[in-house]
Amino acid sequence: DAGVIQSPRHEVTEMGQEVTLRCKPISGHNSLFWYRQTMMRGLELLIYFNNNVPIDDSGMPEDRFSAKMPNASFSTLKIQPSEPRDSAVYFCASSSTTGRAGANVLTFGAGSRLTVL
Amino acid sequence: GDSVTQMEGPVTLSEEAFLTINCTYTATGYPSLFWYVQYPGEGLQLLLKATKADDKGSNKGFEATYRKETTSFHLEKGSVQVSDSAVYFCALSERNYGQNFVFGPGTRLSVLP
Repeated sequence: DAGVIQSPRHEVTEMGQEVTLRCKPISGHNSLFWYRQTMMRGLELLIYFNNNVPIDDSGMPEDRFSAKMPNASFSTLKIQPSEPRDSAVYFCASSSTTGRAGANVLTFGAGSRLTVL
Repeated sequence: GDSVTQMEGPVTLSEEAFLTINCTYTATGYPSLFWYVQYPGEGLQLLLKATKADDKGSNKGFEATYRKETTSFHLEKGSVQVSDSAVYFCALSERNYGQNFVFGPGTRLSVLP
């Protein structure tokens, strides 16, 4: 398996622009998580999905952030409009809750480093 | 709610020194416990895990034992290497609807040659 695939790996944009981050979870995993990591705030959970349904979005900073999971193999995190304080590394992670071997382990992607100027 | 507390870093050790990173947790049920490691410029990766009381997780010379009586999951290694320099995260997961993971703040380890 190729693991959790995130794109782009690096994004530099100007304040006010729309940013879309993409994630492909591990095939067969039914839970997907979006995290944000900064030096100041550490690792923060933004939102997580189970079976494509958002379960907890209480970590989404504000209405400028939105996340979707249209099917089991794809998710997006969108920021519109972006602001300099959104600069961070955004991680996608997936896991399985179905009780198979390897279940209940969170596997992270390599992250998308966002810089908003 | 559930929470994880880790010793504050950074931790700086000489090569071949003994490592302990403390982790304690608060949970309503019977969580699984994890240690994740993050090397510079990379995502977090699973280091070891334990799913029930008294279980010992181990990997790459690292060990941690699930202590229900003290709600702890301390990470240990007998002899650290320069290549162990990274940030270490303690985490827990409870099996409720959808399953969430709760992470500690991370502890940065620097190992000097």
